[in-house]
Amino acid sequence: DSGVTQTPKHLITATGQRVTLRCSPRSGDLSVYWYQQSLDQGLQFLIQYYNGEERAKGNILERFSAQQFPDLHSELNLSSLELGDSALYFCASSVAWTSYEQYFGPGTRLTVT
Amino acid sequence: DAKTTQPTSMDCAEGRAANLPCNHSTISGNEYVYWYRQIHSQGPQYIIHGLKNNETNEMASLIITEDRKSSTLILPHATLRDTAVYYCTLPGGGYQKVTFGIGTKLQVIP
Repeated sequence: DSGVTQTPKHLITATGQRVTLRCSPRSGDLSVYWYQQSLDQGLQFLIQYYNGEERAKGNILERFSAQQFPDLHSELNLSSLELGDSALYFCASSVAWTSYEQYFGPGTRLTVT
Repeated sequence: DAKTTQPTSMDCAEGRAANLPCNHSTISGNEYVYWYRQIHSQGPQYIIHGLKNNETNEMASLIITEDRKSSTLILPHATLRDTAVYYCTLPGGGYQKVTFGIGTKLQVIP
């Protein structure tokens, strides 16, 4: 158990819909990262927040957005969903904003039908 | 990220040491070597990292060659629960992101 929690575990929705994925980092970690993992793309970095502020942006689509709240939990919002958005979405956390020692949650499996 | 190469797959008998090699011949002087693993469909798990000295923690040991062009992750007594894909990575480049290549699929055999 990494100490990072993600909800929900599974999500099935239809194309065009909007969903919100939630992540709670490990106690004491200020940095939160979101990753997408699909079979053909491997692990793709989406975005990082540190102490409520966006710090780095990766391959995140304009239809996706994220935020980190004052209690440090984070949400990833995915809208106008397409079949290709079906993937595992992982949240990770670390103490510092420059750390590659990241602790990953169990993931949310999103299926878009 | 600098390129790493790892064998695609390896088998290891339960209870024996698993030695997972990684080549990173283009590593730069200040780049760390990080190891992660991913058990099927679970979140990646950080294992260990090092710069040039050998490192050990409760999960594994990391041996880095003197020229830093290769490293070996050692699981001293492999168990069935160590069956996973192991990734050697050299993160860096401004984004605080972790990226993985293909990795080594380690199968621990009873």
